Amino acid sequence: NAGVTQTPKFQVLKTGQSMTLQCAQDMNHEYMSWYRQDPGMGLRLIHYSVGAGITDQGEVPNGYNVSRSTTEDFPLRLLSAAPSQTSVYFCASSSPGHLTDTQYFGPGTRLTVL
Amino acid sequence: KNEVEQSPQNLTAQEGEFITINCSYSVGISALHWLQQHPGGGIVSLFMLSSGKKKHGRLIATINIQEKHSSLHITASHPRDSAVYICAVVPLSGYALNFGKGTSLLVTP
Repeated sequence: NAGVTQTPKFQVLKTGQSMTLQCAQDMNHEYMSWYRQDPGMGLRLIHYSVGAGITDQGEVPNGYNVSRSTTEDFPLRLLSAAPSQTSVYFCASSSPGHLTDTQYFGPGTRLTVL
Repeated sequence: KNEVEQSPQNLTAQEGEFITINCSYSVGISALHWLQQHPGGGIVSLFMLSSGKKKHGRLIATINIQEKHSSLHITASHPRDSAVYICAVVPLSGYALNFGKGTSLLVTP
């Protein structure tokens, strides 16, 4: 199993550009989530999904969209990038107990918005 | 939103020392996770606890649900243990993990 994969590893955007961060898992996990990690702060939830076709907002959803058309993929879209979205982004998945089961994290995407 | 507090924020130890990292939280939870993040690296799950104690190699995690406190112990520490250790709780009424800010551990030879 590849586990949780994320692409790209690094990305530089200009303010106003849009892009999609890709996340995929091959463990047939139902629960998938996106976090951002900023210096001096804990990981913060952006969006999450409990299965294909079901998504919901987390703590910091503004400026981000998600969709879940398949069990495997959970892309995160930045609609119009802003410098405040400079961060490291992690995708995670778990199953079957969702949050009370082992969490598997991707390697992260380091995003810089100029 | 419950608060998750970790202590210490930073910790330097010599190789071989016994290390304790603490996590306190303020509301009821169903489970608690300990995670490890190496510099520039991804995040790895170490333990998930809902009661008692778990051990894996040199790592031991304990939790006291009534006191709202968990500890992560590392016995016979080694430089490769140098990492950030993150505590995350599953609130009883929540849909998401709440994370502490992490404890940065440096083990020197």
